[in-house]
Amino acid sequence: DAGVTQSPTHLIKTRGQHVTLRCSPISGHKSVSWYQQVLGQGPQFIFQYYEKEERGRGNFPDRFSARQFPNYSSELNVNALLLGDSALYLCASTPRPSGLSYEQYFGPGTRLTVT
Amino acid sequence: AQRVTQPEKLLSVFKGAPVELKCNYSYSGSPELFWYVQYSRQRLQLLLRHISRESIKGFTADLNKGETSFHLKKPFAQEEDSAMYYCALSSGSGGGADGLTFGKGTHLIIQP
Repeated sequence: DAGVTQSPTHLIKTRGQHVTLRCSPISGHKSVSWYQQVLGQGPQFIFQYYEKEERGRGNFPDRFSARQFPNYSSELNVNALLLGDSALYLCASTPRPSGLSYEQYFGPGTRLTVT
Repeated sequence: AQRVTQPEKLLSVFKGAPVELKCNYSYSGSPELFWYVQYSRQRLQLLLRHISRESIKGFTADLNKGETSFHLKKPFAQEEDSAMYYCALSSGSGGGADGLTFGKGTHLIIQP
C-alpha cells in the first residue's frame, strides 16, 4: 500500500480563483481528515469525513468545503482564494473516527501558493 | 477551547545528551495526547500516544494532568532523532470528530 496519496503535489493559483485538492486514503480506511499547515505553524484541523458525511469541522470560513466519495477518497475545495490560503494542505486517514484514538496516517501534502 | 503549547521553536543538543521537548495543553475534559514526528523529506507520522504508555525509539512521554503537560523525553539523543516534533491533542469525545489540535512544533537538532 502506498499509504495516503494526495494530488497535486503543488500548484499555484491567483487570488479569487478556486482550487480542488484530492486525497486517497489507505485501503480499508473509511475516515479522512483535512488539515492546513501554514509555514512555521502546526497543522490546523479543517474537516473530518466518515462514510461520506461531515463529522467534524474546524474554525474555517465557508469558502472551504469538502466531500467524500463512495470509494472513501476525498476532495477539498477552496473558493475565492486569498493570499492567506497559501499553505501545505494535509490529508490524513484512519479506519474510522472513534474515541479510541486511532492513529492518523498523513499524506505528503499539497503545497498551495496563492499569488 | 483546546490549545497545545510547545515553548521551544528550536532545541539543539549534543549526541548522547538527554533530550526533553516540552508540551503543555489546555483542555477542560480528559484529552488524549500524542507526539507526531516529521523527519526530513518524510511525511508526518505518529511517534507515541499517552494511552499506550509505550517507549518508541527510546522516547517516552508521561501525561501530567496536574501540570497539564506531556513532555517528550529521551535519555541519550542520537543523530537520527533530528526532526520536527509536534505535540497534539484530541478531545477524545464526539468520536474524535474535532480532529487533532497541534502545537507549533519544535525543531530538534542533534549535533555530533
